[in-house]
Amino acid sequence: IQLTQSASSLSASVGDRVTITCRASQTVNHYLNWYQQRPGKAPKLLIYGAFSLESGVPSRFSGSGSGTDYTLTITSLQPEDVATYFCHQTYSAVWTFGPGTKVEI
Amino acid sequence: EVHLVQSGAEVKKPGESLIISCQGSGYNFANYWIGWVRQMPGKGLEWMGIVYPDNTNYNPSFQGHVTMSVDNSKSTAYLHWSSLKASDTAIYYCVRHMGAATAGLDNWGQGTLVTVSS
Repeated sequence: IQLTQSASSLSASVGDRVTITCRASQTVNHYLNWYQQRPGKAPKLLIYGAFSLESGVPSRFSGSGSGTDYTLTITSLQPEDVATYFCHQTYSAVWTFGPGTKVEI
Repeated sequence: EVHLVQSGAEVKKPGESLIISCQGSGYNFANYWIGWVRQMPGKGLEWMGIVYPDNTNYNPSFQGHVTMSVDNSKSTAYLHWSSLKASDTAIYYCVRHMGAATAGLDNWGQGTLVTVSS
């Protein structure tokens, strides 16, 4: 299953609502996760199962979607949210990641 | 607190063998799956495979070139190459998965930089 993300990069202001989309080449049935990778750091799980917030992740992050189309939303962008965001599916036998969306301020 | 601690950076020549490790702590290591993710310089994430309790699921892109294993008695996972290529130059992350259907990779090692150069 191939994953595409709506933009390779985006720029927004502090306090903005940011939406990142991920489209799968076939249904992934909510087996869709989102990760944040800050520069020089290991990725960190934000959302699992399409909409479940990982423990300790700020509530400004949320996930939604179904079938082939999924969205990560940051309701009020903060300076520490500068990072690359990856979607990831575990529905097929061969798990795959999206190419990433770099968020800048 | 859960930690996955990986072995240090490596510099190798093409054709050499290499094993890198990932030691878990703060949880029952045997109750979780361990997988590996590659990140080539300046690039995205690539899923390499994951070790289940009774078998290993490899991404076909990596099968035959790497071997994944775990030693539950040492709470340690390993990634092994018998013959490195220059194109293996990358950061390798070990990851934890709880095995539930819609679970994500909830803990990541700090990454091991592998440089392969003649």
